[in-house]
Amino acid sequence: EPEVTQTPSHQVTQMGQEVILRCVPISNHLYFYWYRQILGQKVEFLVSFYNNEISEKSEIFDDQFSVERPDGSNFTLKIRSTKLEDSAMYFCASSKQGALDIQYFGAGTRLSVL
Amino acid sequence: EDKVVQSPLSLVVHEGDTVTLNCSYEVTNFRSLLWYKQEKKAPTFLFMLTSSGIEKKSGRLSSILDKKELFSILNITATQTGDSAVYLCAVEARGGTSYGKLTFGQGTILTVHP
Repeated sequence: EPEVTQTPSHQVTQMGQEVILRCVPISNHLYFYWYRQILGQKVEFLVSFYNNEISEKSEIFDDQFSVERPDGSNFTLKIRSTKLEDSAMYFCASSKQGALDIQYFGAGTRLSVL
Repeated sequence: EDKVVQSPLSLVVHEGDTVTLNCSYEVTNFRSLLWYKQEKKAPTFLFMLTSSGIEKKSGRLSSILDKKELFSILNITATQTGDSAVYLCAVEARGGTSYGKLTFGQGTILTVHP
């Protein structure tokens, strides 16, 4: 069964460093999303992406964050200068359609900022 | 602000018991409600509900939506230890150019003892 793949599974970084989290969505999906889950809290929407541009972003998704689809298969989330409060599990998801469709999630990248 | 509340937050049962998990929501322009099961890795899709009163079933799991009272329930009959997981409820709402953005509840932690 097709699945969303995320790498790495765990990323440790120093505060102020840049990190790139990578995702390979399901191949025929057109809509891509990033969510994050801080330990003990709800899963929160960060950004949605379609047709090579951001369609919606949350208040969390400030200038330190960016997303990109550098080629036909990868979807990346970059955090330019990490802060301690960026420590969380980051989930990538994809769907075939943008609305009224199932989003399939990857296993997540646990980001630890020291 | 869209809001999704799940109850109970945690539940401990024995194998063979039946459980009911609740999800209530307050969103503007509801589109759909989704249930996911989260074990140690990716949230895996269970159900998507868009219409009131139509029960969806998959094996021992079933779910129904009440759009008048703004809630959904997820039932699991004859529970097994493999049902132990966090069950997430998420709602998609319609707004402007927004599509696909999911608002999650805090999850219900289900523990099934042998």
